[in-house]
Amino acid sequence: DVKVTQSSRYLVKRTGEKVFLECVQDMDHENMFWYRQDPGLGLRLIYFSYDVKMKEKGDIPEGYSVSREKKERFSLILESASTNQTSMYLCASSPINQPQHFGDGTRLSIL
Amino acid sequence: AQSVTQLDSQVPVFEEAPVELRCNYSSSVSVYLFWYVQYPNQGLQLLLKYLSGSTLVKGINGFEAEFNKSQTSFHLRKPSVHISDTAEYFCAVSDNIDTDKLIFGTGTRLQVFP
Repeated sequence: DVKVTQSSRYLVKRTGEKVFLECVQDMDHENMFWYRQDPGLGLRLIYFSYDVKMKEKGDIPEGYSVSREKKERFSLILESASTNQTSMYLCASSPINQPQHFGDGTRLSIL
Repeated sequence: AQSVTQLDSQVPVFEEAPVELRCNYSSSVSVYLFWYVQYPNQGLQLLLKYLSGSTLVKGINGFEAEFNKSQTSFHLRKPSVHISDTAEYFCAVSDNIDTDKLIFGTGTRLQVFP
């Protein structure tokens, strides 16, 4: 069974802090994705990666960066956290041209 | 650009009643279509997918969906719902250019009452 693991279920940080959200998948999937989920807005793609060291911007990349140094790990970085980045963050992975598998999410609060 | 519309933000139903959750997408070019379910405090779980072939797709937990190309719709149905079906349901469509990217609808909250 595919397992996508997000390192934290809940996280509380202060404005201006640098925040790291980690995601690991155990199925050797090529693709990995970071979304944020907000009520009434559904899921919006922040960044995605097709391969190690490759990344592409999604629909809302401003204020975020990503890192994929190993195939199984995809990190989302908030360079300087702001209150409008309080949200649920979801990581997903997939093989090429196959459905995405999601982690359980990280609920991030920026105070 | 591709877009997905889920017109109903909330759908309340009684247990054992049938339900239909509506999904329309914007482009009639070849697409892949998905329904995902999200239970409270969990990530998204794939219910079913349409990649090609038969337009009636059966998924897990008794759900099915029908791909209608002329109406650009992919509505989700279940003939008899259970309390345990209470969750948020997301329709998603693949991007026209990059089919590994998904565009999600805003979600429909299904609330099943006893």
